[in-house]
Amino acid sequence: GAGVSQSPRYKVAKRGQDVALRCDPISGHVSLFWYQQALGQGPEFLTYFQNEAQLDKSGLPSDRFFAERPEGSVSTLKIQRTQQEDSAVYLCASSPGGDTQYFGPGTRLTVL
Amino acid sequence: GENVEQHPSTLSVQEGDSAVIKCTYSDSASNYFPWYKQELGKGPQLIIDIRSNVGEKKDQRIAVTLNKTAKHFSLHITETQPEDSAVYFCAAGQSNAGNMLTFGGGTRLMVKP
Repeated sequence: GAGVSQSPRYKVAKRGQDVALRCDPISGHVSLFWYQQALGQGPEFLTYFQNEAQLDKSGLPSDRFFAERPEGSVSTLKIQRTQQEDSAVYLCASSPGGDTQYFGPGTRLTVL
Repeated sequence: GENVEQHPSTLSVQEGDSAVIKCTYSDSASNYFPWYKQELGKGPQLIIDIRSNVGEKKDQRIAVTLNKTAKHFSLHITETQPEDSAVYFCAAGQSNAGNMLTFGGGTRLMVKP
């Protein structure tokens, strides 16, 4: 079946621009997570949704980062006024409600 | 919060040999330990996981062991093949809905034919 999909796969932004990254979870999955993966490192948690409710946003690095999942399916991670340190791969994962998380291919963001 | 350390950072083995990757964690509340394989340009792929009610789990050439007292767990790959070459990540979390995973720093495994 279809896995987690993310778009765009690659995004280049000029410093100061706003970007929006999309995640389509596996159909029916209740839980959705966003992680940030810097080059050569493991993924780091950003935020978690259960259906449309954002239950944990403790990992968001600044108030420039905002995530939403208005209908409990597709999610968007928005980064305002991008900075060079925002350059990373942004991974989305979904879960049917237990502990197992299935990851998408990620969006590689490069801020110039 | 949870802290996960992973060793080694790189591992080179000859095809057919075994590979072992070790991780330690700090939070005794963690009870779910997945392992992910990440190939270049792709997202992490779950290859095996273990929960703290068992000490060992096997799936063909892959096995994971867990020592909850010592707070460490390991991935064992036997009869390695070139297609096993990738970056492997261990992670720790809690076995309930919505709990985030804390990842180790990764191990780059290279299997030489």
